[in-house]
Formats: sequence, C-alpha cells, structure tokens
Amino acid sequence: SQQGEEDPQALSIQEGENATMNCSYKTSINNLQWYRQNSGRGLVHLILIRSNEREKHSGRLRVTLDTSKKSSSLLITASRAADTASYFCATAKETSGSRLTFGEGTQLTVNP
Amino acid sequence: GAVVSQHPSWVICKSGTSVKIECRSLDFQATTMFWYRQFPKQSLMLMATSNEGSKATYEQGVEKDKFLINHASLTLSTLTVTSAHPEDSSFYICSAPGHETPNTIYFGEGSWLTVV
Repeated sequence: SQQGEEDPQALSIQEGENATMNCSYKTSINNLQWYRQNSGRGLVHLILIRSNEREKHSGRLRVTLDTSKKSSSLLITASRAADTASYFCATAKETSGSRLTFGEGTQLTVNP
Repeated sequence: GAVVSQHPSWVICKSGTSVKIECRSLDFQATTMFWYRQFPKQSLMLMATSNEGSKATYEQGVEKDKFLINHASLTLSTLTVTSAHPEDSSFYICSAPGHETPNTIYFGEGSWLTVV
C-alpha cells in the first residue's frame, strides 16, 4: 500500500505553544483526514478536508491542504498536556472516503 | 453518536490456536467494514475490506487463509487469526463508515492480540 509520510516523527513542546505536523502522500485523493490516537487506544477523528479545499478550522485545529505538493499540515494552537497523543493523517482515494491509507504518524508530547 | 465496538479488548493465545475478534456497529448498519493492523509505534496498515454478504477484499500481502473475515450481518464483522504465531501479535482495529455527509468513519477501540 502507499503509505504517506509525516514529519516530524516526534515533537515535544511546552503547554501553550503551537504544534505543527506535516503529512505528505503519493497519489491523488478525494479527501484527507487527521486522526488522534492515545497510546494503545482507538482513533478519534479530528477533521476532514476535501481535495478542493485549501484550509479548514475546527476549534484549536487548523488544517491546510496543498494538492499540488501532495501535502497537508495540522496546526494545534495553544497546546495542552491533554493533547499528548499520536496524530495520523489518512487519505481516501474514493468518493466514499472510507478506505483509508494512513501516514506514519507524529508522536506529540506536550509538557506541562 | 455512532459507535463501533470491538471485542475482546485484549486477548492472549497460545501459538497454533485461532482467535476471533468481533467488530460491531452499535446503532447503525455497516455494509462495509475495514480491518487494520498496527504494530507498536507504527502506523495502521489496512488488511482487508469486509463486505456484508460477500467475500472480503484483502490487501496485497495479507494471507486470506490466515486472516479469515466474515461479515454475516449488517452490524457485525469478525476477524479470525488462524494458527496464530508470535509475529501475529499486534493491535487490530476495525472501522465502519457512517451515513453522514461527508462520510464519517468510526473506529473501534481496537483489540490487542498477544500470541505466546
């Protein structure tokens, strides 16, 4: 399968700082989604951005998508210790958007 | 909201035995479900697409005779790891698409399999 890449692989910041994670993918997509995973747990859907969208906001989250560069970024503003988790981007090629290809993930640690 | 439930949350089995993991959509119907495998500190790899009433579609490199998938009803898909080996130890997680627009995908809480 075509796995995407995310950078950084690990990110450690202080509470209150912003965290930016990047994701690159290889094929054309219908949409790109970001998920959060706490250690050893299931995934929580954060935000979905369609291929014809360039930016999307949800609370403290801001996602951008550049289809020409096949890349996306997730910005978490004013981070909190509770934001500590792994963050994955996932792309969907089909219109249904259900069959996902995940990136390698970024482990975010927010220090209190 | 919609919930996908997996059972068991964790299981330990002996090498050579088979173990079944269930994935249920609790308050919605799912004609399609997806099974992923995740090794520690790695990403999720799609194993197969489970189709209600028909055969599962397996990703390249996934042994269909080893990972048996059954989707007998609109709310239940099962993954059976047959003749398990220690290298099958992993986190298995399922997902099912909801019916909202845009489609929302619901993930189960995952099942930890340890083969000893």
